[in-house]
Amino acid sequence: QKEVEQNSGPLSVPEGAIASLNCTYSDRGSQSFFWYRQYSGKSPELIMSIYSNGDKEDGRFTAQLNKASQYVSLLIRDSQPSDSATYLCAVSTSGTYKYIFGTGTRLKVLA
Amino acid sequence: EAGVAQSPRYKIIEKRQSVAFWCNPISGHATLYWYQQILGQGPKLLIQFQNNGVVDDSQLPKDRFSAERLKGVDSTLKIQPAKLEDSAVYLCASSLDTVKSTQYFGPGTRLLVL
Repeated sequence: QKEVEQNSGPLSVPEGAIASLNCTYSDRGSQSFFWYRQYSGKSPELIMSIYSNGDKEDGRFTAQLNKASQYVSLLIRDSQPSDSATYLCAVSTSGTYKYIFGTGTRLKVLA
Repeated sequence: EAGVAQSPRYKIIEKRQSVAFWCNPISGHATLYWYQQILGQGPKLLIQFQNNGVVDDSQLPKDRFSAERLKGVDSTLKIQPAKLEDSAVYLCASSLDTVKSTQYFGPGTRLLVL
């Protein structure tokens, strides 16, 4: 079983719609969860971090964490063509500062 | 605040040659990471330093890859000899040494092995 799993996509949504990206992880000791956005040919950049169960909102982005289900998601409201990118889920385990990345989900926002 | 610096940005070599990459982390960041990202995949951790010491190098192919971090600041990653399958982007990242710390990535070095 992969440690961090994401659907590779592509996930296509129309402009203005909500994009929902999902990630599951295997290590119950995981404490920190991150969503990175990576444009083609660029390096990853942080969008959101979340550490406790529930929702965390930042502008058009909402991260949701459910530790019991070992599930973290990212919602993008009012999706724009500029949101088209690969979204990487990363999970950090306590005590190591080590990140495990998923393979990423490619999002396409159609104008 | 300056970001993570990497050089070179691009490198083309022939198989069996050697290559070295350099990384300068954000000032004050104790933890430094080297990742390999193959096209279409997520970053794979090669080695993690905390200050001068190695925290994790379990996925570093030690027969051909080596890395060092002198004085707890700059780091170099070397491949010798290179194989075709080493073609990838090599990303350096740094963070403060807390479990909630964000990793900040450099621009990466794109390596092509012919």
